[in-house]
Amino acid sequence: DAKTTQPNSMESNEEEPVHLPCNHSTISGTDYIHWYRQLPSQGPEYVIHGLTSNVNNRMASLAIAEDRKSSTLILHRATLRDAAVYYCILRDNRDDKIIFGKGTRLHILP
Amino acid sequence: EPEVTQTPSHQVTQMGQEVILRCVPISNHLYFYWYRQILGQKVEFLVSFYNNEISEKSEIFDDQFSVERPDGSNFTLKIRSTKLEDSAMYFCASTRTGGVYGYTFGSGTRLTVV
Repeated sequence: DAKTTQPNSMESNEEEPVHLPCNHSTISGTDYIHWYRQLPSQGPEYVIHGLTSNVNNRMASLAIAEDRKSSTLILHRATLRDAAVYYCILRDNRDDKIIFGKGTRLHILP
Repeated sequence: EPEVTQTPSHQVTQMGQEVILRCVPISNHLYFYWYRQILGQKVEFLVSFYNNEISEKSEIFDDQFSVERPDGSNFTLKIRSTKLEDSAMYFCASTRTGGVYGYTFGSGTRLTVV
């Protein structure tokens, strides 16, 4: 599996945007960029995924660099409920599993 | 919104006993997975299951583990003879296809081996 690099932790203030970075310099042409999050004491939760173009959904936006070697998950207005570990995962569309790294622990300050 | 349901939420068992963890995946999903997370550690892949057979498994998934989809709705993980180090949260997941769609995870079963 291709590797991703994320900061161990980040802090943000409530009601402000949050930009969570992810580097994936060894990404291959068939890798999709997936983001999941894990709230305390819960299972992982799918957030968003993309291939080349930026993507938006009701939870977040995903900005993908033109060379695809990095991406940023954007939470437009963080709430206390967004405090979680966020995982950036590369998934080959031929692969039968996703592999979790350590992710970024996001703290939201009231 | 459809959910993956796992039962029980917490199971305590004695070392050496067999346990079966149960999952009901989303009904139109075709790919099923088990993951585990030891307290304070990463979420680890155990096994993937498609078309009534294992499609991939990790090194953790040794002969003590087995999976089954007995009736077209349930998906089970059996641990034949539990060890202390099997204590963890076990998460079931499913997805519509093996390709680009996201996984839906259950809330997990906390297994405590004493």
